[in-house]
Amino acid sequence: EVQMVQSGAQVKKPGESLKISCQGSGYIFTNYWIAWVRQMPGKGLEWMGIINPDDSEMRYGPSFQGQVTISVDKSISTAYLQWNSLRASDTAMYYCARGEGTFDWLLLYDYWGQGTLVTVSS
Amino acid sequence: QSVLTQPPSASGTPGQRVTISCSGSTSNIGNNYVYWYQQLPGTAPKPLMYKDDQRPSGVPDRFSGSKSGTSAALAISGLQFEDEADYYCAVWDDSLSGGLSAWVFGGGTKLTVL
Repeated sequence: EVQMVQSGAQVKKPGESLKISCQGSGYIFTNYWIAWVRQMPGKGLEWMGIINPDDSEMRYGPSFQGQVTISVDKSISTAYLQWNSLRASDTAMYYCARGEGTFDWLLLYDYWGQGTLVTVSS
Repeated sequence: QSVLTQPPSASGTPGQRVTISCSGSTSNIGNNYVYWYQQLPGTAPKPLMYKDDQRPSGVPDRFSGSKSGTSAALAISGLQFEDEADYYCAVWDDSLSGGLSAWVFGGGTKLTVL
């Protein structure tokens, strides 16, 4: 059974750093892309970026380029989303999703994690 | 504000047919496949449609997708109470700000079953 399991909820202060994780299981981790999607409270989905676990090829959405870092440790089938300096506006639910397809522009996000709620408040 | 425009809300009664639109441009819908996702209240999104009109396994055939030019639509026939959810279209955009290419989601449509 394919599962994407994310790390637990986090409460941080502005300026702090954070790294959240997403572990895939039940499939060959390096055969599928991993995307991160943000959902701010009461708002819609926003695509943040994507990584190919096989070669660590990455792509970011324009709003997130330079704001976050996506990485992967294929030895433990885990993808990460990292901030160096959080802001209150980073408060949101963050989902990882497995991307099924040959190219990064031709993906079905078929399995999603349960979400990690990040709250940034002083 | 997304480059893909969806109506913020839609509604219908059980058994009715409802259509949700997704309007874009030549750099996204006009040149790439459209995908649809359903997000039930308090849960993670799940796939509903891929490559414009293909249903993943397990998705009822009450759901159908279509595309024409720079617009796409998701139709739900035989509406059921369990269909009450938020629906998002998603497309690869070849030409975003800064010359980047990336996935974009529509703003989402909240479907209410009356």
